[in-house]
Order: sequence, then structure tokens, then C-alpha cells
Amino acid sequence: AQKITQTQPGMFVQEKEAVTLDCTYDTSDPSYGLFWYKQPSSGEMIFLIYQGSYDQQNATEGRYSLNFQKARKSANLVISASQLGDSAMYFCAMRENLQTGANNLFFGTGTRLTVIP
Amino acid sequence: DTEVTQTPKHLVMGMTNKKSLKCEQHMGHRAMYWYKQKAKKPPELMFVYSYEKLSINESVPSRFSPECPNSSLLNLHLHALQPEDSALYLCASSQDPVSGGAWGVFFGPGTRLTVL
Repeated sequence: AQKITQTQPGMFVQEKEAVTLDCTYDTSDPSYGLFWYKQPSSGEMIFLIYQGSYDQQNATEGRYSLNFQKARKSANLVISASQLGDSAMYFCAMRENLQTGANNLFFGTGTRLTVIP
Repeated sequence: DTEVTQTPKHLVMGMTNKKSLKCEQHMGHRAMYWYKQKAKKPPELMFVYSYEKLSINESVPSRFSPECPNSSLLNLHLHALQPEDSALYLCASSQDPVSGGAWGVFFGPGTRLTVL
């Protein structure tokens, strides 16, 4: 089964508007971490935000927030006040079995976001 | 220093060449990773080193040979590659969550490899 599912291959948003990128995950482990990365055309994988499975509050980092709904196994990324520089590929990812030290990071297929002036 | 560096940025090699990709981090991270990424696809895990020991090898062909000389350095030795091995090779590092470290995984800028 797919561990991370991103159902939106591409998204468009008007500059200065907010946008939500969807991510659902599948794990039976109680200890896991969820991540969002931005990958511009240059190729670098930029870490944006992290949510731990035991965190009670949704993570926020500047204009990025993670809408964590544990019962639904979803971890959507919300970007507020979109900027032209936000145009990129966005990947949702998960690490599980963190208490045993397992170090794999599973990625979804990505969502290409285009910000329209 | 909060970054992962990779050299070279670009590499073109023939199928009979031997080359190496290098990765370095000075964040005190004890896990280091190699990922391969084809165009328009997510990264695929190749190898993980944890405390300088190979902990995960995702059935990667033997023409790729990883090496971790010390806790800050990670190499990927390439030999007799095929054109289908052309891809972006990403190095990453992280702390160890079991010992109380943070859980973030940080990537370098990547090496774009072309095999002719």
C-alpha cells in the first residue's frame, strides 16, 4: 500500500491568495513524523515544516502551516499569501518507527504548484 | 553551519568511467542518506548510514558503492553505470530521534548525473 498519497498532480493559485496541498498517509506505527518539502526547478529539496504524531497542535513556520488530522490520517500543507517564488514541486513525506531508529523517509508523488501573477 | 553540501553539482560520465559523488555535513547528524531522483518523480532511497554503519541498502546495483569515511562525510562511488542511471542524486542527513534528536531530514543541493 502507498504510504503517502498526494492526489493533486498540479495546482494553481493567484498571488497573495492561500492554497492547500493535500496529503494522506498510511501507517500502523504510533510514532511517526510528517514533513513537507519544496523542490524548485534547481532541484534542491528544501525542508518546510514538520509534524510529530504526538504533537497536539498543528505546526506552523511563517507562511506555512500543517493541518494535521490524525484520525483521518491527513497532513495538508497550507501556504498563506502566496508569492511567485512559491512556484515549485511540493512533496509530503513520512518517517515511521522513530522509536526504533528506522531512518527511511517515504515520499508522495508530489504536487506542482504554480502561482499566477 | 546548517547545510549539507554536495560536489560536484553536475557530472557527465561514460559507461566505462569511475567517478565519485561527495557529501558533507557539519551539523553533528549521525544518519546520512543517498537518494536517487528521476525527472518528475519523488526521490527513491538508495542507502542509509547510521553512526557510520550501513543500515539500509535498498537493493541497489553493485555499480553504486557507498562509503562513510567519518560522521561528516558520505561518498557514492560510481562504476560501469548505464544511461538509465542518469538522475539527480541527493544526499541528506538527520539527527537520531532515538537518542532525543530532532526528526528533520535535511537535503543537499544534489548532483545532476548524466551517463553517456
